[in-house]
Amino acid sequence: SQQGEEDPQALSIQEGENATMNCSYKTSINNLQWYRQNSGRGLVHLILIRSNEREKHSGRLRVTLDTSKKSSSLLITASRAADTASYFCATLYNTDKLIFGTGTRLQVFP
Amino acid sequence: DTAVSQTPKYLVTQMGNDKSIKCEQNLGHDTMYWYKQDSKKFLKIMFSYNNKELIINETVPNRFSPKSPDKAHLNLHINSLELGDSAVYFCASSQRVTEQFFGPGTRLTVL
Repeated sequence: SQQGEEDPQALSIQEGENATMNCSYKTSINNLQWYRQNSGRGLVHLILIRSNEREKHSGRLRVTLDTSKKSSSLLITASRAADTASYFCATLYNTDKLIFGTGTRLQVFP
Repeated sequence: DTAVSQTPKYLVTQMGNDKSIKCEQNLGHDTMYWYKQDSKKFLKIMFSYNNKELIINETVPNRFSPKSPDKAHLNLHINSLELGDSAVYFCASSQRVTEQFFGPGTRLTVL
């Protein structure tokens, strides 16, 4: 079965607002990654957080990981129209197998 | 200077045909993958190769056969195409447990 579930499925905000996406998973992991997919394009890696880390920042991105609740969140601050895309969490466990979540479609209106 | 490239970008074919999708990476990575993304954007791993050796095979029908002539290439051959094979297929590469780099995708439409 699919490892990661994300919510919300879709999110619409205005430029300048913050966007928060959540991801839940089912088993122990090595790391959790977030990817962005623009319409009609491949996925682009955004950030990786290891199972022994609780928070990580990269530019306007902030990721948290709560292994006790098996959940992660991605916060995009001061969103821009160019942030419009689908965002996927992906969990890595055991081997090189990445299991992707169902994705959150983010629409940022100018 | 493309990192992960796939050809073709679009593939339209009739049911029952055999087709191939090619993938190449110039990142020097040891591991390459094939993913299938369906119409609901659900992304699922199909195969993974490490140094030309198959390490993941996710209960994909035998009609799908990956081939890795060297660690920079991972091709996907599909026999007897079915309507349900219509999807976007992504190739990716990585250096073990780090981030994966994705190709632009191949949109396969089976008529």
